[in-house]
Amino acid sequence: GIQVEQSPPDLILQEGANSTLRCNFSDSVNNLQWFHQNPWGQLINLFYIPSGTKQNGRLSATTVATERYSLLYISSSQTTDSGVYFCAVRYEGAQKLVFGQGTRLTINP
Amino acid sequence: NAGVMQNPRHLVRRRGQEARLRCSPMKGHSHVYWYRQLPEEGLKFMVYLQKENIIDESGMPKERFSAEFPKEGPSILRIQQVVRGDSAAYFCASSSLGTNTGELFFGEGSRLTVL
Repeated sequence: GIQVEQSPPDLILQEGANSTLRCNFSDSVNNLQWFHQNPWGQLINLFYIPSGTKQNGRLSATTVATERYSLLYISSSQTTDSGVYFCAVRYEGAQKLVFGQGTRLTINP
Repeated sequence: NAGVMQNPRHLVRRRGQEARLRCSPMKGHSHVYWYRQLPEEGLKFMVYLQKENIIDESGMPKERFSAEFPKEGPSILRIQQVVRGDSAAYFCASSSLGTNTGELFFGEGSRLTVL
């Protein structure tokens, strides 16, 4: 089955710093989503990005499908950005989204 | 436009009891997915349903777990004779399209604690 690997597993930064989170996948995909799970456990949709680049405020994401990776950029981090960031992919012909293990981001004031 | 609604948000059961978790998809969505998240882990796929049909249940444990999505009403995830290892957060997601397309939107989850 498809593997989804996220790195780094943990990231601790000071408020105001920038960060890049990476998601590698092992086969062709037709759906890739980034989620933020906040400290209360809620899953927030960040991007639906099977290919290309999108931006939403301080967050942006790029997926290079041919090279099987996606990057999530967070600029000028705030303490409210803390939580776990998940990448999830659906490979072609499949029904389900497969989640990576997540990157735990901690932003200190 | 309401999002995916799950209830109950928290459920406590004793070993051997039954747990029923409900999920109402977003308006206009006819595809429902259930995922389980153990503490400090990622989300694991359990089952994918459309109205009155189970499409993919490859992630469902073979015993005690069942799911349905009736023509009318919410999708139900049922766990019979719960054990402590069933303690987890159960998330439901919905989409408007199924295979190969369709962004998934998740509910806030139901947190099951088995005493």
